[in-house]
Amino acid sequence: NAGVTQTPKFQVLKTGQSMTLQCAQDMNHEYMSWYRQDPGMGLRLIHYSVGAGITDQGEVPNGYNVSRSTTEDFPLRLLSAAPSQTSVYFCASSYRGGGLNYGYTFGSGTRLTVV
Amino acid sequence: RKEVEQDPGPFNVPEGATVAFNCTYSNSASQSFFWYRQDCRKEPKLLMSVYSSGNEDGRFTAQLNRASQYISLLIRDSKLSDSATYLCVVNKAAGNKLTFGGGTRVLVKP
Repeated sequence: NAGVTQTPKFQVLKTGQSMTLQCAQDMNHEYMSWYRQDPGMGLRLIHYSVGAGITDQGEVPNGYNVSRSTTEDFPLRLLSAAPSQTSVYFCASSYRGGGLNYGYTFGSGTRLTVV
Repeated sequence: RKEVEQDPGPFNVPEGATVAFNCTYSNSASQSFFWYRQDCRKEPKLLMSVYSSGNEDGRFTAQLNRASQYISLLIRDSKLSDSATYLCVVNKAAGNKLTFGGGTRVLVKP
């Protein structure tokens, strides 16, 4: 069982370039989220999805787009990379059952550097 | 005020000792609470879920105090491998959006 798979693990971009961070889960979870983690800032929510076709903004959505065409995939697009987007990005998935929100499973992260 | 606050530490703990630390949250509508463990340069991993007053899993005990809006994590018989950052996580029912605390760093020393 692969869990949550993120690609690539490392990426260096030049300012202004665009790219897509891939995230896939094989647990049939309805909830998926993208976080960024910066030193001293903790994890901050970028975008999230409660199911295929449904996405919403989190705390720091500017400069990022998402889509959720399938339950399994939740790609994060950087439209025009800026040095402020240098960070570690985590994708996570979860589910709700029996009236409870269950904990998220995280991917191993993508370390992005924008120069 | 941050929505979820934690003492950043570090908590320096002798091997075999007990350590406990708290997390406070500001949103009284919060319904689910979690403790995650994060090792350096790794992804967060779920340690414990807290849905009612508390939960115990081996050497780890989490307590929830809704009246005072805090949750605690206690680690008994600390192992060197318990050295990590412990993240307090809170969410509301709608949308299952998580809010993370900044983390508490624990260093277990021989």
